[in-house]
Amino acid sequence: KAGVTQTPRYLIKTRGQQVTLSCSPISGHRSVSWYQQTPGQGLQFLFEYFSETQRNKGNFPGRFSGRQFSNSRSEMNVSTLELGDSALYLCASSLYPGTSTDTQYFGPGTRLTVL
Amino acid sequence: AQTVTQSQPEMSVQEAETVTLSCTYDTSENNYYLFWYKQPPSRQMILVIRQEAYKQQNATENRFSVNFQKAAKSFSLKISDSQLGDTAMYFCARAIIQGAQKLVFGQGTRLTINP
Repeated sequence: KAGVTQTPRYLIKTRGQQVTLSCSPISGHRSVSWYQQTPGQGLQFLFEYFSETQRNKGNFPGRFSGRQFSNSRSEMNVSTLELGDSALYLCASSLYPGTSTDTQYFGPGTRLTVL
Repeated sequence: AQTVTQSQPEMSVQEAETVTLSCTYDTSENNYYLFWYKQPPSRQMILVIRQEAYKQQNATENRFSVNFQKAAKSFSLKISDSQLGDTAMYFCARAIIQGAQKLVFGQGTRLTINP
């Protein structure tokens, strides 16, 4: 079974631009979560989607948004990019969140550099 | 506060030795999961081991085992017969079982296995 895939793997943008990152979960997984990883702040939770609904959101400004499609694929969008948005963005999927079988499996990440 | 603390920023051991990574956490919940993830230089986050808080038996996965002390809120990872391929950042994480999925990560321990 294929793992979590993320596209693109690398992105370079300039301040003020916007960016869209994509995540395809493991087949059959219905929950997708997004995390930001930076050297200073470590791994921080962005948001989680299940059945096309955002159920949980981390402490990030409204410039960070996301959505989930009916096939469980997810996208996250960052508008008006700032230098501090440079990070590795990780996507994770899980089968049935909040159950005894729940474990998050991560994709390879998208490395975003804002110049 | 819902925090996860890894008190060892870096560790280094010789190949074939046993090493223990420490993790403590804070939670008011009685039912939760704990995880150890490994992030090698490739940046892919890989699940190492999982522990359900309601289980008293410590989880094991081949050379990897945990020492889960629920009352002390401690969750350490022991790697036996360490191998060069174990070199990576190791993250301890906690998730709450009910409702939306969210992982809270520690700051990580950089483990180097020397030949």
